[in-house]
Amino acid sequence: AQKVTQAQTEISVVEKEDVTLDCVYETRDTTYYLFWYKQPPSGELVFLIRRNSFDEQNEISGRYSWNFQKSTSSFNFTITASQVVDSAVYFCALSVRGSSNTGKLIFGQGTTLQVKP
Amino acid sequence: KAGVTQTPRYLIKTRGQQVTLSCSPISGHRSVSWYQQTPGQGLQFLFEYFSETQRNKGNFPGRFSGRQFSNSRSEMNVSTLELGDSALYLCASSLEQGAPLYFGPGTRLTVT
Repeated sequence: AQKVTQAQTEISVVEKEDVTLDCVYETRDTTYYLFWYKQPPSGELVFLIRRNSFDEQNEISGRYSWNFQKSTSSFNFTITASQVVDSAVYFCALSVRGSSNTGKLIFGQGTTLQVKP
Repeated sequence: KAGVTQTPRYLIKTRGQQVTLSCSPISGHRSVSWYQQTPGQGLQFLFEYFSETQRNKGNFPGRFSGRQFSNSRSEMNVSTLELGDSALYLCASSLEQGAPLYFGPGTRLTVT
């Protein structure tokens, strides 16, 4: 079975602080994809990044960076110099290849990030 | 490109009624998936359609059904509504398996 765990339910930081959102996943499949989505108060899930299981390179996109470590089954997300606009719920998700898994993302419970001015 | 659109955005129904939600995917995307989001259960997969065929289904009762049309637009239907069906229903489209899912703004359904 597959599972995604986001142990941090809520995080509150002050603007300009760095913050890391943790994500731990479980799967026995060797081919899988990991995602991060942002859900602002408007409700729409916004795609941030996808990583496949064969690519452990870390990625940086502006103030966002992601650290993928297969050895610890983790895919953590760091926001550098946080801003108020980063306030949202962030979801980590797992997708496993196979005909029985098409279109299916397994989501973590989400981490609510509040950035205070 | 226009994003995924969903209609209606808000809906209030009474227990026992049925409801139909609509989703138009991003142009060129042939896969459409549906998710239910509730505070208690989080985001849960309902089903996925590709080229008018249901390819995958989550663990929901038969009251939840869907279909996809030849233009890739999709509808989901919930019959005999229960209070517990109150949720945000999100539609997503993608190009292929493993590709990112792009979500619409959702339909917030309230069952009274």
